[in-house]
Amino acid sequence: GAVVSQHPSRVICKSGTSVKIECRSLDFQATTMFWYRQFPKQSLMLMATSNEGSKATYEQGVEKDKFLINHASLTLSTLTVTSAHPEDSSFYICSARDKRRASSYNSPLHFGNGTRLTVT
Amino acid sequence: EDQVTQSPEALRLQEGESSSLNCSYTVSGLRGLFWYRQDPGKGPEFLFTLYSAGEEKEKERLKATLTKKESFLHITAPKPEDSATYLCAVQPIDSWGKLQFGAGTQVVVTP
Repeated sequence: GAVVSQHPSRVICKSGTSVKIECRSLDFQATTMFWYRQFPKQSLMLMATSNEGSKATYEQGVEKDKFLINHASLTLSTLTVTSAHPEDSSFYICSARDKRRASSYNSPLHFGNGTRLTVT
Repeated sequence: EDQVTQSPEALRLQEGESSSLNCSYTVSGLRGLFWYRQDPGKGPEFLFTLYSAGEEKEKERLKATLTKKESFLHITAPKPEDSATYLCAVQPIDSWGKLQFGAGTQVVVTP
């Protein structure tokens, strides 16, 4: 149970183009999903909190116009990297918490398998 | 400011050689401490949640413990399949569900 599917697993794009990453909770509903970014041998850095039916909350230093987040349903959140540049190359990972356990904020987050973005 | 520090950064073990990983944390109030395992190119896989000092949890060869300042992940008689990066994360009380991660400990177990 508690499977989070992320697609695509790898993407290579040219500088200036936009890339959309999908995150789906397959066997549970998630009112909240979190998007993280990870550089090699570094910690996961939280980028934004995605709330179903409302605007995402971005962490300090994360450009909301560059990283567009949409959480249109209880099982799907998308991250669009707009006008990508080589410095946006990274490993992007989404996570979700089961809605049935949402009232217990310390229930575990379940993670997707990440998307390796390379901008050339 | 909340901080999570993991040590060592890397650990190389012989199969069967038990060891411990450390996660030191500074947080205004702890709602929960989480351990995850991450394989190369994959997302983190949930292992344990610890909520209060003195708590212990076990899963196969792994055992996690918690004090007011740190958590340990003990690996007993590891096997090569235990090779991975182990991540520690804290959830502060006022964080609205967000986790703050340490940089991880990369464990390599050789036959």
